[in-house]
Amino acid sequence: ETGVTQTPRHLVMGMTNKKSLKCEQHLGHNAMYWYKQSAKKPLELMFVYNFKEQTENNSVPSRFSPECPNSSHLFLHLHTLQPEDSALYLCASSQDRRLTDTQYFGPGTRLTVL
Amino acid sequence: GNSVTQMEGPVTLSEEAFLTINCTYTATGYPSLFWYVQYPGEGLQLLLKATKADDKGSNKGFEATYRKETTSFHLEKGSVQVSDSAVYFCALSRGSNYQLIWGAGTKLIIKP
Repeated sequence: ETGVTQTPRHLVMGMTNKKSLKCEQHLGHNAMYWYKQSAKKPLELMFVYNFKEQTENNSVPSRFSPECPNSSHLFLHLHTLQPEDSALYLCASSQDRRLTDTQYFGPGTRLTVL
Repeated sequence: GNSVTQMEGPVTLSEEAFLTINCTYTATGYPSLFWYVQYPGEGLQLLLKATKADDKGSNKGFEATYRKETTSFHLEKGSVQVSDSAVYFCALSRGSNYQLIWGAGTKLIIKP
């Protein structure tokens, strides 16, 4: 399998549930990202990992907890979410964090919080 | 601060029409500029990019020129197809953390 994959593609959860989103990249990249995409809003960068170290946390609520065990895998652990957290969550990777680097995206996980 | 402004959609065109999607930016220095495309049910993918003033990015018949004097990076295509229907995002890369700054996206609908 090539590129960036995400599982699950769709997730419905209650506000008291705990779930995790998984992202895997097969591109040999060093940087990985989590984005939130809501309707009619610009993409919101949530977290950035570079060489497995978290380098950005854009004021994301603690009910979202990222984990990067190695350069190829990225998780987003979800706990006690709110209905307004319903969105498409996109994972991306890039070779490094240079000005000209292209980010490669997975297909996203469509999350619905009831 | 850094920002990207795109024309609001949806933009609806007939097949073979000429396409322009406007994108203007605010940034200090010399950002890199990108257009990404998101087809229905998929993630974003890079369409084209330009890394310095007067550069022209091109791919799949789409073009955009980095205009520093007008701080613009408008996307154009001479003859659109139904398969071009998607959401198009303009973005810039700037700052010490090289974070991508995104526009809100423009939905393009091409009718046969």
